[in-house]
Order: sequence, then structure tokens, then C-alpha cells
Amino acid sequence: QLQQSGPGLVKPSQTLSLTCAISGDSVSSNIAVWNWIRQSPSRGLEWLGRTYYRSKWYNDYAVSVKSRMTINPDTSTNKFSLHLNSVTPEDTAVYYCVYSGDWGWFDPWGQGTLVTVSS
Amino acid sequence: EIVMAQSPATLSVSPGERATLSCRASQSVGSNLAWYQQKPGQTPRLLIYAVSARATGIPARFSGSGSGTEFTLTINSLQSEDFAVYYCHQYNAWPRTFGQGTKLEIK
Repeated sequence: QLQQSGPGLVKPSQTLSLTCAISGDSVSSNIAVWNWIRQSPSRGLEWLGRTYYRSKWYNDYAVSVKSRMTINPDTSTNKFSLHLNSVTPEDTAVYYCVYSGDWGWFDPWGQGTLVTVSS
Repeated sequence: EIVMAQSPATLSVSPGERATLSCRASQSVGSNLAWYQQKPGQTPRLLIYAVSARATGIPARFSGSGSGTEFTLTINSLQSEDFAVYYCHQYNAWPRTFGQGTKLEIK
């Protein structure tokens, strides 16, 4: 189970930050991949990035957000977070945290957070 | 990046009939293809993975087929709760990508 938290309104040029709390698994699992995906009418479903542990931590980001995005795992709280800086109205979307195993498909999904970028 | 194209964009079908949704990949994704259902205001729900395997709790009226670049989701005997948007998703390569969706509406 994944439970998201974070603000629903962010001002342009500021940083969008969301957190995903994991229950029933460990963020340090050697078979888990922890993802962020967003959905907007203009861009559809868009995978943004992932973090995973395979003897060490790895992160990987979509080209479209690579220069602005960071995903941080937190082993002490069993959470992972998304930070997207220098946001614009085009970053307005529903953001999801999502689990995928080594097998690859996305399931389960967090409940989603509508983030609006507006002054 | 692998581009996923779904057709049609909107499909109108009567309850009780069959719906056939298509998904095409810009390059082979092998059998690494999933389908999701999304209703308004809800999270995408996994229906099918590995082309044809139904996820837990998914009724047998949902079936998937195909391989390589051409895939189909078939829904037999449409129920009222099946009218939603359906997305295909490839997990053969990073970045993972989705189709733009097919809206299944009541005729």
C-alpha cells in the first residue's frame, strides 16, 4: 500500500515536493522499484522517475524532467519522495507514486495528488 | 523511447456486446505489455499483464492477446462498470511508456 502526502498548490518557479509512505514492503527491498508517474490532459500518463536498491541506491529520471527532479528514499521512515524544482503551469497534473517489481508492470498505485502550479 | 499508439480514441459499444481495443508499439516490446482501466476520479487499475495474464480479481470477460508490436484487449459481454478509459503500457524498456488511452463509452 502506498499513501501520498504533500501540497496541492505550488507557485511557479518553486519546488513541488511529495512523499509516498510504504506499508507492507520495504523501500530497501531488492526486488522493488519505486516510481513517480504523473497524468495530465496534455501529456497523458507520463513516467517521471524511479529509485531502487540493489546493494546500493539507484535513481533514474525521464529526460523531460531530469534536470529538475530528485527522488529520495528514506529508510528510517520507509518512504520515498519527489522533488521537482522550477515548476511551471505545465507541471500541473495528478502525481502518483507507484510500485513495480523486477517484473515491470505498475501495481499498486498511490491514491494520487492533484498538484496545481499557479500564483 | 517506445511510443504506444491506441485505437480507436473513443469506442461506443452497447452493454452486453463485445469491445475490442488495439495498441501498437513503435518497436517490439515482446510480451511485456499491460493494460489498465481508469474511471473518472480514480487511480489506474491493473487489468492485464504479460499480454494475457489477468490481475487478481479481474473477471474472465477481460482478455488480452498479441505479441511484439500489436496487442488487443477484448472485453466480452460488457457490463455497466466496464465503461471507462483503458491504457496500454509497455515495460520492456525504460522509460516506461503508456498509450494515450481508449475511452469506452455506452452506445
